[in-house]
Amino acid sequence: DGGITQSPKYLFRKEGQNVTLSCEQNLNHDAMYWYRQDPGQGLRLIYYSQIVNDFQKGDIAEGYSVSREKKESFPLTVTSAQKNPTAFYLCASSTRQGNYGYTFGSGTRLTVV
Amino acid sequence: GQNIDQPTEMTATEGAIVQINCTYQTSGFNGLFWYQQHAGEAPTFLSYNVLDGLEEKGRFSSFLSRSKGYSYLLLKELQMKDSASYLCAVYSSASKIIFGSGTRLSIRP
Repeated sequence: DGGITQSPKYLFRKEGQNVTLSCEQNLNHDAMYWYRQDPGQGLRLIYYSQIVNDFQKGDIAEGYSVSREKKESFPLTVTSAQKNPTAFYLCASSTRQGNYGYTFGSGTRLTVV
Repeated sequence: GQNIDQPTEMTATEGAIVQINCTYQTSGFNGLFWYQQHAGEAPTFLSYNVLDGLEEKGRFSSFLSRSKGYSYLLLKELQMKDSASYLCAVYSSASKIIFGSGTRLSIRP
């Protein structure tokens, strides 16, 4: 079955450490996205990629980095420069046009300890 | 600028009807989505409106007025499992969907 997989589901990080969140899709979608969601709030766009080897900053890219070396994969690194990284992170994918909406992964809950 | 407004919280009674409103001001408009999100889970697709009017899908209906920058999601015969957040999202340009903050709906018996 086609889908989008995020791992791990829960992640704990010490302050000052970088951590990478995985996102893999087998839907043959060109576009992939990373969103952050804080308690009681909507989704804020971190980075997005419409094609392999290309990505764009979203609204809150500071302290984050991404790569898109393969169509299926769009990992997100939360760096030590991100001041408040504790949040729920959602990865999504879509056709390049995006007009069929997004398919979301199940999310990764990151907690800084 | 980009702005999508919807109420923060709503409460309704099991078996009743509830309408969740959404107004938007975006640079470009190609369509409007409604997603449902249960706590701690990923959003799931409910509806997509491109043209003005009402789209009905079972207990859920969604309405769009492009001239007014307005949409609503109508939920009928409410069930306890409908307790969730409902996200209004605008497809504003190629491959970019902008999400509202969501409306947290609580259903009481």
